[in-house]
Amino acid sequence: DAGVIQSPRHEVTEMGQEVTLRCKPISGHNSLFWYRQTMMRGLELLIYFNNNVPIDDSGMPEDRFSAKMPNASFSTLKIQPSEPRDSAVYFCASSLVGGRLETQYFGPGTRLLVL
Amino acid sequence: GEDVEQSLFLSVREGDSSVINCTYTDSSSTYLYWYKQEPGAGLQLLTYIFSNMDMKQDQRLTVLLNKKDKHLSLRIADTQTGDSAIYFCAASRRDSNYQLIWGAGTKLIIKP
Repeated sequence: DAGVIQSPRHEVTEMGQEVTLRCKPISGHNSLFWYRQTMMRGLELLIYFNNNVPIDDSGMPEDRFSAKMPNASFSTLKIQPSEPRDSAVYFCASSLVGGRLETQYFGPGTRLLVL
Repeated sequence: GEDVEQSLFLSVREGDSSVINCTYTDSSSTYLYWYKQEPGAGLQLLTYIFSNMDMKQDQRLTVLLNKKDKHLSLRIADTQTGDSAIYFCAASRRDSNYQLIWGAGTKLIIKP
């Protein structure tokens, strides 16, 4: 299996621009997580989907952030407009909820720099 | 609220054993995990332990769980330079096994 795939791996943009991060979960997994990692705040859960439905988006910072999961094999995290404080590493993870061990498998992350 | 705590840094000599500690607050956590993050990479599941176990061994890794004290440790025997990474402790939440409470991560530094 290819594992969780994220794109782009690196993104540099200017403040005010729209940023779209993409994720392909592991085939057969039914849950998807978006995390943000910064030195100051560590690893934060932004949103969690189960069977393509957002279950918990309480970690989404503000209205500038939105996430979608149109089907079981694709999800996006969009920031519009982006701000310098959004600079971070964004991880997507997937798991099989309902299995014996609901381990989360992480993608390599997208390193976002907003200038 | 629910919390997982770890020290931020651990420095050991190559060849020695490393012991990374973690405490958690949710006594109902079913699974406890150790993830490893190498520089510039994502998090990789290293090992896990079920809450009704005291110990789990996997090659150079030994996980000890003291459920009474809510203390989890990861021991790496014969630490190698390739073990340099950040190690995250995570506990499953009381209301869902699929949402995890994460520690801040312990950076393991290997001295030659």
